[in-house]
Amino acid sequence: GESVGLHLPTLSVQEGDNSIINCAYSNSASDYFIWYKQESGKGPQFIIDIRSNMDKRQGQRVTVLLNKTVKHLSLQIAATQPGDSAVYFCAEKSPSGTYKYIFGTGTRLKVLA
Amino acid sequence: SAVISQKPSRDICQRGTSLTIQCQVDSQVTMMFWYRQQPGQSLTLIATANQGSEATYESGFVIDKFPISRPNLTFSTLTVSNMSPEDSSIYLCSVPAGFTDTQYFGPGTRLTVL
Repeated sequence: GESVGLHLPTLSVQEGDNSIINCAYSNSASDYFIWYKQESGKGPQFIIDIRSNMDKRQGQRVTVLLNKTVKHLSLQIAATQPGDSAVYFCAEKSPSGTYKYIFGTGTRLKVLA
Repeated sequence: SAVISQKPSRDICQRGTSLTIQCQVDSQVTMMFWYRQQPGQSLTLIATANQGSEATYESGFVIDKFPISRPNLTFSTLTVSNMSPEDSSIYLCSVPAGFTDTQYFGPGTRLTVL
């Protein structure tokens, strides 16, 4: 079946360093992807999105890279801050249903002071 | 972005009882979605709630267990019926962001079933 998975369940990064969170997706027909940040006790918060006609998209301190050849998505956070500590999910818009998303398992980012 | 609120924010319930979770959005939306997030896990779509029609359930979820109401374009409820400890999860509602593909989420309802 369709699945979106992450390679690392926990990532520890020194404050000020760059973070890279990876995600693999299985459906080559998917054309839209979102990264969400979920802090403890809160709902997922939209960070950045990318469509399949792009390889890279940049936001404020965040960059999403999409490699359709290997069905891989990554989120890069520059100059990681303590406030970046959270669980990060990638979500793949399923081509089989309007607004149906498949979420990855999540990566917990821990920022070390 | 839409402002989404959920009630209750958390609850502790006894097995065999039911809990109704409310989701309120500050703008009219055609579709609302209900997700479950089990402890330490990712989000799984339960159903899509459309105003004026019955909800569409995903595989593994049934109406008898998770009845949904959608009385208007800004409100929906999800009931978790005949609860067991396995229903302990965070339940989240979400809505599409305008005419984009993006979805925004509510703060979630943390349910613990004893």
